[in-house]
Amino acid sequence: GAVVSQHPSWVICKSGTSVKIECRSLDFQATTMFWYRQFPKQSLMLMATSNEGSKATYEQGVEKDKFLINHASLTLSTLTVTSAHPEDSSFYICSAGIGASSGNTIYFGEGSWLTVV
Amino acid sequence: SQQGEEDPQALSIQEGENATMNCSYKTSINNLQWYRQNSGRGLVHLILIRSNEREKHSGRLRVTLDTSKKSSSLLITASRAADTASYFCATEQNTGFQKLVFGTGTRLLVSP
Repeated sequence: GAVVSQHPSWVICKSGTSVKIECRSLDFQATTMFWYRQFPKQSLMLMATSNEGSKATYEQGVEKDKFLINHASLTLSTLTVTSAHPEDSSFYICSAGIGASSGNTIYFGEGSWLTVV
Repeated sequence: SQQGEEDPQALSIQEGENATMNCSYKTSINNLQWYRQNSGRGLVHLILIRSNEREKHSGRLRVTLDTSKKSSSLLITASRAADTASYFCATEQNTGFQKLVFGTGTRLLVSP
């Protein structure tokens, strides 16, 4: 079945540095991927829609200059947390679906734990 | 916030019992989906119900949808300890395909 892979699974970085998280669709092409953030014991909040070949669409309240998204190919989207701070520590998870229509199964990556110290 | 609400927030039952979780949402939808998340892991898709459907079954899962009340329920029958996880409803709103708005989640604990 379709698989979405994220890397790294967990990362620790120093405050002020940047960290990149990759999201890959392993056996299908995804023109659109989504990035979510989840704080402990909370729900998933959509951060942005990653569009292949064009700029990402950010949800209200999400800083586009802080969370850089690049969707350079049909199988890879990257999220870069720039100048990370401890409050950015969270679980980041991506999703992708096959095709562009409603009701298609959406696949989630295993997520990436980010800890900023 | 467009986020949906789920209740209960936490549910503790014994193996063999049924577990019912409820979800309410705020806007018009294309479909509603239920996901399972084990602690600190990714999400597993359980079932999708379209806006023109009222009930759907998959194995031990039964999902209902009432669009007039903007609510859905997930019933897990004959629960097992392995069902212990967090369960989230998510709506695909008619403002964007595959873009999901998640509910607050229900943490289910099934004791042997």
